[in-house]
Parts: sequence; C-alpha cells; structure tokens
Amino acid sequence: EAGVAQSPRYKIIEKRQSVAFWCNPISGHATLYWYQQILGQGPKLLIQFQNNGVVDDSQLPKDRFSAERLKGVDSTLKIQPAKLEDSAVYLCASSLAGDEQYFGPGTRLTVT
Amino acid sequence: GDSVTQMEGPVTLSEEACLTINCTYTATGYPSLFWYVQYPGEGLQLLLKATKADDKGSNKGFEATYRKETTSFHLEKGSVQVSDSAVYFCALTPTGNQFYFGTGTSLTVIP
Repeated sequence: EAGVAQSPRYKIIEKRQSVAFWCNPISGHATLYWYQQILGQGPKLLIQFQNNGVVDDSQLPKDRFSAERLKGVDSTLKIQPAKLEDSAVYLCASSLAGDEQYFGPGTRLTVT
Repeated sequence: GDSVTQMEGPVTLSEEACLTINCTYTATGYPSLFWYVQYPGEGLQLLLKATKADDKGSNKGFEATYRKETTSFHLEKGSVQVSDSAVYFCALTPTGNQFYFGTGTSLTVIP
C-alpha cells in the first residue's frame, strides 16, 4: 500500500513570495490533515478535511494560508505572502477512521 | 483545553540501557493516546496506541500503559538500540478529529 505522498520535499523562498504544497493521501482515506511543525516543537494542526469538506480550520492563519481538497482526494496548501515565521516543516497526514493517522515525509520550507 | 505534556530532552543513553519518556495529559472524557516516532528526515510514524484506561500498547519492544488515575502514558523500553535514536511524540485525540501533540523528546543512543 502506497503511503502519503508530499511534494516538494524542500522549498526555499523569500519573504512575501507565495508557495504551494501538494499532498496525496492513502487511497480510500477520507480524512486529511495539514500540520505545521516548527523546529523543536510538536506538530500543530492547521486544517482538517473530511472528504472535500473542512472539519476544523481554527488554527489556520486565513489571511495568508489557504487549503483545498478538490474531489476529496489530494490537497494543496498555499501560503501567500510568506513570512519569516512560516519557516517550518509542513506535514500532511491521512486517516481512514479518524483514530490513526499516517504521515507523509513533509515539506521543509525555509523563508529568507 | 486538551493538551499533552512530555518530558523535555534531549535524552542520551548507552545501548542496552532502559528508557522511560514521561507523558501526562489533560482531557475531558476518555481520549485515545498515542506515541509517534520521527526518524531523521522522515515523517511521523505511529509507534503504539491505547484507546481505553489500563490498555497497554506495545510495538518494537516499546510499551506504554494508559493510566487514567494519573493521566499518564509513559513510554518504556527495557533495552534501547542505536536504531532507536529518534524524536518521540506523545499525542491524544478526544474525539478522533482534533489531535494534540507534545513537543517531542529527542533520544540519542550511543554504542
């Protein structure tokens, strides 16, 4: 069974630029999560989808972050414009029944 | 609100030493509890879980027991190996939707 796929693995941008991350969950997993993991901290949930609907986006900075999950499969997370404090690893995870998450390898973003 | 507190690292042990990483939680109701492991350059992997009080999760020689009376879920291993070097995260979910992670504990095992 293929795992959660993410791309790119690494991205370096300048502040005020925009960036997009892509995630393809495990086939059949209805729930998809985006997390932000700042160095030395645990993952923080940004947004959770159930199929193509948003379940929780309470910690998503909506003035600059957006996410979509068209057709309830893969998902894109966008930052526009990026700030220095957005430097982090962005993790995507998926879940079949909501109690066990499978994580992708993450995208390491550096904002200079 | 719901939260997880785990012992701060880093932790450095010699091979074959005993490991305990403390984790305590705050939650209403009966959350499910997890330990995740993150190897260098990789995403998080589920190590073990427990879904109700007194359950013991185990995997790869690691164990953790869900203690409701002390609101704890400490991770233990009797004899660590160099390959266990990683960052370990305690986590909980009260409902299966929102997940809360601890800050992680870095473990380095030296030969």
